Amino acid sequence: NAGVMQNPRHLVRRRGQEARLRCSPMKGHSHVYWYRQLPEEGLKFMVYLQKENIIDESGMPKERFSAEFPKEGPSILRIQQVVRGDSAAYFCASSRGLAGVPYNEQFFGPGTRLTVL
Amino acid sequence: TQLLEQSPQFLSIQEGENLTVYCNSSSVFSSLQWYRQEPGEGPVLLVTVVTGGEVKKLKRLTFQFGDARKDSSLHITAAQTGDTGLYLCAFTSGTYKYIFGTGTRLKVLA
Repeated sequence: NAGVMQNPRHLVRRRGQEARLRCSPMKGHSHVYWYRQLPEEGLKFMVYLQKENIIDESGMPKERFSAEFPKEGPSILRIQQVVRGDSAAYFCASSRGLAGVPYNEQFFGPGTRLTVL
Repeated sequence: TQLLEQSPQFLSIQEGENLTVYCNSSSVFSSLQWYRQEPGEGPVLLVTVVTGGEVKKLKRLTFQFGDARKDSSLHITAAQTGDTGLYLCAFTSGTYKYIFGTGTRLKVLA
C-alpha cells in the first residue's frame, strides 16, 4: 500500500504528557501537511513542511506544538504538555512538489485520534 | 478571511433517491477538491475541478464548478448506502493551503 501512513491510529495521553504523531508520505511525495479535525467540524490547516524545512506553520498554536520532517524518516507532530482541548483527530496529507503544477492535490492518511484524559 | 460554506449540513435520504450538496465561497478559487470521509478514516479525494463551468462525472457522482469559480455542487444519482459519509469540499486560492468547508453529513437509508 503506497498511501499516506500514520501512526499510531489511536493515542491516549494524560494531561501534561507528550504526544508524538508520525506520518510517512506517499511514495514520490516530498510535501507534508498536518491538519486537525475537531468533532463535527471540518479540517483546519496546521503546518506545511518539506524535507528539513517548515514552510508555513501559521495554523499551529505557538506554544506546545512543533513539527518536523527530517531528511530521513517520517514527519513528526509533537504536542508537549497536552491538555484536554488537544483531543482531536490529526490528519497528515502529502503531495508532490508544487513547481509546474496547475493545482495541488493532497492525499490524506487515516489520521491519529488523540484523547487526553 | 476566506470562508467556505457547505449546505445542507445534514442530509438523510432513502436509497435510490437523488441529492445535491453545495459548496460556496466568498472568494474565487483556483481549484477545488471534493473529498468523502467515512467515520474513523481520513478524507479520500474524489475529484479536482479547475476550470469555471467544468463538469466532471465519477460513476453516479456529478461535480460542477461554477462559472465564476466561487461555488461548486455535487450531485449523486440513485444514492446507495455505500454513499453514506461526510462530504468535504476544499479549495486553494493559488497556494498550497487548503481551506475546508464544514462538510455535509449524508446518511443513505436502506
